[in-house]
Amino acid sequence: GAVVSQHPSWVICKSGTSVKIECRSLDFQATTMFWYRQFPKQSLMLMATSNEGSKATYEQGVEKDKFLINHASLTLSTLTVTSAHPEDSSFYICSAISPTQETQYFGPGTRLLVL
Amino acid sequence: QKEVEQNSGPLSVPEGAIASLNCTYSDRGSQSFFWYRQYSGKSPELIMFIYSNGDKEDGRFTAQLNKASQYVSLLIRDSQPSDSATYLCAVKVGGSARQLTFGSGTQLTVLP
Repeated sequence: GAVVSQHPSWVICKSGTSVKIECRSLDFQATTMFWYRQFPKQSLMLMATSNEGSKATYEQGVEKDKFLINHASLTLSTLTVTSAHPEDSSFYICSAISPTQETQYFGPGTRLLVL
Repeated sequence: QKEVEQNSGPLSVPEGAIASLNCTYSDRGSQSFFWYRQYSGKSPELIMFIYSNGDKEDGRFTAQLNKASQYVSLLIRDSQPSDSATYLCAVKVGGSARQLTFGSGTQLTVLP
């Protein structure tokens, strides 16, 4: 299957700081990537759809000014959590669609802890 | 009614048995169906996808799709303790939609 990477895998930050998470498709070009959040023992929650060269589409209830998404190239999307607070602590997972199979492949996830 | 429904479990089966995971969906326009496995603390991993009615086999895994009944299932033969995970059913509606709608997942435990 296709390979998607995320960086960093773990991040601990102080409340009020901003954190950037990178998502890369390593062996294919992805015009569309997705960002999910998952709290412990809960299901995946789609936050936004990231489209290369255009603005991201956010799901209802997700603040676009707090979760900034940039998809500047066909292999890289970034999610910036601005002014992070403890309630933003979660497991953030990106995925990318393989253009040949129309299937979604997930990155390994980034665990964010805001103190 | 949720768009994609799964029994949350937990489902326990003995090692070597067949584990049967079920999923129903509400949108008749759904065209693509996916099963992901998620180990605790890890991200989801694609196991199989199925587009056509009937069975699709890949090793110990068989996906079954019945569009008339709006039902998709995953069978795991010769279950192993390493199969213990949460299994997510995901559905993609046809047309231009590219995002998946996920079920809440079924937690499977294979007992040695």
